[in-house]
Amino acid sequence: GENVEQHPSTLSVQEGDSAVIKCTYSDSASNYFPWYKQELGKGPQLIIDIRSNVGEKKDQRIAVTLNKTAKHFSLHITETQPEDSAVYFCAASTDTGFQKLVFGTGTRLLVSP
Amino acid sequence: DGGITQSPKYLFRKEGQNVTLSCEQNLNHDAMYWYRQDPGQGLRLIYYSQIVNDFQKGDIAEGYSVSREKKESFPLTVTSAQKNPTAFYLCASTSRGYNQPQHFGDGTRLSIL
Repeated sequence: GENVEQHPSTLSVQEGDSAVIKCTYSDSASNYFPWYKQELGKGPQLIIDIRSNVGEKKDQRIAVTLNKTAKHFSLHITETQPEDSAVYFCAASTDTGFQKLVFGTGTRLLVSP
Repeated sequence: DGGITQSPKYLFRKEGQNVTLSCEQNLNHDAMYWYRQDPGQGLRLIYYSQIVNDFQKGDIAEGYSVSREKKESFPLTVTSAQKNPTAFYLCASTSRGYNQPQHFGDGTRLSIL
């Protein structure tokens, strides 16, 4: 089955710096890659997603890139702000009638003022 | 506001006791999911349901049971057979269609007394 590895497990940056989180997946049939932000005591919130027919997607300060050949995808956050501090999860899915997400183990991002 | 409501937010279980976690959605979504989240790990799928009166086991279904009598509701019972139930439980839903994003509730934290 699908396996998703996520790195780093923790990431500390200064406000205004960029942050990059990387994930690799094992199943070449995976075709949907969402990213979630989880704040303490809350459920994960979708922040951006990408499908396998697209190499890059951007939404204001957040971007995701996908390399299908290497089977990895990355989350890029520019001009980080303290409110970006949270745990970020990547996931991969092969939607063949049912969407089963396999999650990475999460990255704790700390943005210091 | 449309969304997913999980209750209670905190739940305590005594040894040998079954407890039921509630999940209700008013998003008119067809599919619903239950995940377990442990510290330092990603989300793991317990059960999922694509339509009313039908559900399937996920990766870690042992010691859990579900029902799907209404489209809006997908309760999870943690039985006494689940020997390590302490975790954060998350419910999600998604609409019909190819690679639709999953939306999450704010979770229930279950602890052992």
